[in-house]
Formats: sequence, C-alpha cells, structure tokens
Amino acid sequence: DTEVTQTPKHLVMGMTNKKSLKCEQHMGHRAMYWYKQKAKKPPELMFVYSYEKLSINESVPSRFSPECPNSSLLNLHLHALQPEDSALYLCASSQDYPDYNEQFFGPGTRLTVL
Amino acid sequence: GEDVEQSLFLSVREGDSSVINCTYTDSSSTYLYWYKQEPGAGLQLLTYIFSNMDMKQDQRLTVLLNKKDKHLSLRIADTQTGDSAIYFCAERRDAGNMLTFGGGTRLMVKP
Repeated sequence: DTEVTQTPKHLVMGMTNKKSLKCEQHMGHRAMYWYKQKAKKPPELMFVYSYEKLSINESVPSRFSPECPNSSLLNLHLHALQPEDSALYLCASSQDYPDYNEQFFGPGTRLTVL
Repeated sequence: GEDVEQSLFLSVREGDSSVINCTYTDSSSTYLYWYKQEPGAGLQLLTYIFSNMDMKQDQRLTVLLNKKDKHLSLRIADTQTGDSAIYFCAERRDAGNMLTFGGGTRLMVKP
C-alpha cells in the first residue's frame, strides 16, 4: 500500500466555521507534511511532523492548527479562515524527515472559504 | 526573481519528445527533483538526480543536469496524451531540509 489518502476531497466553509482536514497513510512512514497550493502556483510547505512531533512550522497563522494523533494520521484543524486561505491542501509522507527521495503525496483537499 | 525558474507552457504532438527545462541558482543543491501534477490531483514524484550526476534515465524519462550552468531538464520520449500535466522541478539545498519548487510548466500533448 503506497497510498496517502485525504478527506474530504472538497470543502466549502464560512469564515466562522471550524472544520478539519484528515490525512492517513499505512506505509509505516514517520514523517508527514502539510502543503498549501494556490492555483497555478507550486506547493508551499506549512508543517512537518517527524515521529509524531512537530518539526517544522513555516510561520503559518494560528488559524491553522496541525495535529498528529498517531504515526498514521495527520489532521489540520481550521478555524476563522479567510477567503485568501482558499487553496488545495496537500498531505505527504516519507519514511523519515527529511527524505524527499521517497515522498508520497495525497490527492489533496480543495478548500473554498466564503 | 524566483530561485528556481521554469517556462510556463509547452505544447507537443503525441509521439514527439518533450523537453522541460529548469534553472536554479544555488550551487549547493544536493538533489534535484521532477514532479508531475495532473488536474485536481496531488504531486507525483517522477524522478530525482543527485548533484554529482550528469544524467539519469528511467524508462521514457531522461534527466540531464548541467551544474556549471545550473540547468536541469526532463526529457519525455514518445510523449502520450496521458503525459499532459504540470511538471514542477524542485531543488534541495545542502544548507536546509526543505524543497524549493519552480513555478511549474504546463505540458499539453496534442493528438
């Protein structure tokens, strides 16, 4: 199983809502990543978890809150988002951090903030 | 300008070869990567090359690296309509653990 799954596929939320994005992998990878990708732009790294501990936070606003409940799951909790936060949110995993030579991406969650 | 640059668009006919180019600025780059992203999908790592290599071939894909000119290219032989996608190059620098992506090249394959 070399798959990273993400749910939901699409999400529309208002600026006062609280929602969560979920990511799951069963490859035994110990590093998991959240990226944000705006239309027609490359992905931008947001967070990295290594062995369930937050290793990297790329100065992301606190309205985005990551959580890694176990080595297979990665969540991104969203609260009081702005319309400019609308983007494709990609999750990825790799055996270790940093190991980009074997990094697998999920299909993404397309988020629209109204 | 961006640290990693790519042309925006490339159009080829099915069966022809495609060459997607990328330039980078940091001579300390250790690994360089090519990713493919189909519409509405995540990124797929296609291949990567270590900075002490000049060339890497993997089936229809050939990566060429010119360290002197800081130029990376991806050649796709016998391009198919299924190769239509956005292709991102990325560099990993010796000094850091993050990737720097180029802006992406949209490849359109015409039947």
